[in-house]
Amino acid sequence: QQQVKQSPQSLIVQKGGISIINCAYENTAFDYFPWYQQFPGKGPALLIAIRPDVSEKKEGRFTISFNKSAKQFSLHIMDSQPGDSATYFCAAGVSGGYQKVTFGTGTKLQVIP
Amino acid sequence: DTGVSQNPRHKITKRGQNVTFRCDPISEHNRLYWYRQTLGQGPEFLTYFQNEAQLEKSRLLSDRFSAERPKGSFSTLEIQRTEQGDSAMYLCASIGTGGNYEQYFGPGTRLTVT
Repeated sequence: QQQVKQSPQSLIVQKGGISIINCAYENTAFDYFPWYQQFPGKGPALLIAIRPDVSEKKEGRFTISFNKSAKQFSLHIMDSQPGDSATYFCAAGVSGGYQKVTFGTGTKLQVIP
Repeated sequence: DTGVSQNPRHKITKRGQNVTFRCDPISEHNRLYWYRQTLGQGPEFLTYFQNEAQLEKSRLLSDRFSAERPKGSFSTLEIQRTEQGDSAMYLCASIGTGGNYEQYFGPGTRLTVT
């Protein structure tokens, strides 16, 4: 059972453009939604995270939008740069539990000059 | 604070052999997680330790898998009688005390079973 669905599987964006990755979840107990960035040969690194009490969170060029009623959240990367080329994972977890997170299947982003 | 380290980084083994991986979390991080990541997929939770206690195991962790954290510091993950389906990246992550939810991941151990 896939609890976090992520799309698209891959994305090609021109430098300076906006990259948008979407995720949907099923478990209404989830209350912590992080996004991870992973470069080849490296472990995932936390990029930005949101709790369901806010609808948007922005950190630099990265913004999470959250729609609790639709059980959807998305990552927007503004002014995308070639250095942003990586695989991005959305995830969801329950803060009151053991803080394990359930990951989406990943989006491979390529930013071309 | 040197981050989460994992050893070895790569392991090639023949089917049927036993392998053991080690994870050293960030010092004083009392919570430790093991995940498995196959090609083109997100990491999947395997097991969780709080200090030395193993508090949760995924159904993915078959009887051939065992994890330990004997002194509440480093952890080991052993796979007995490896199968080709065990080929994957094994990731370790840790979290400190308090209300912080951020999991710090290590670089992973890539296992190839031939």
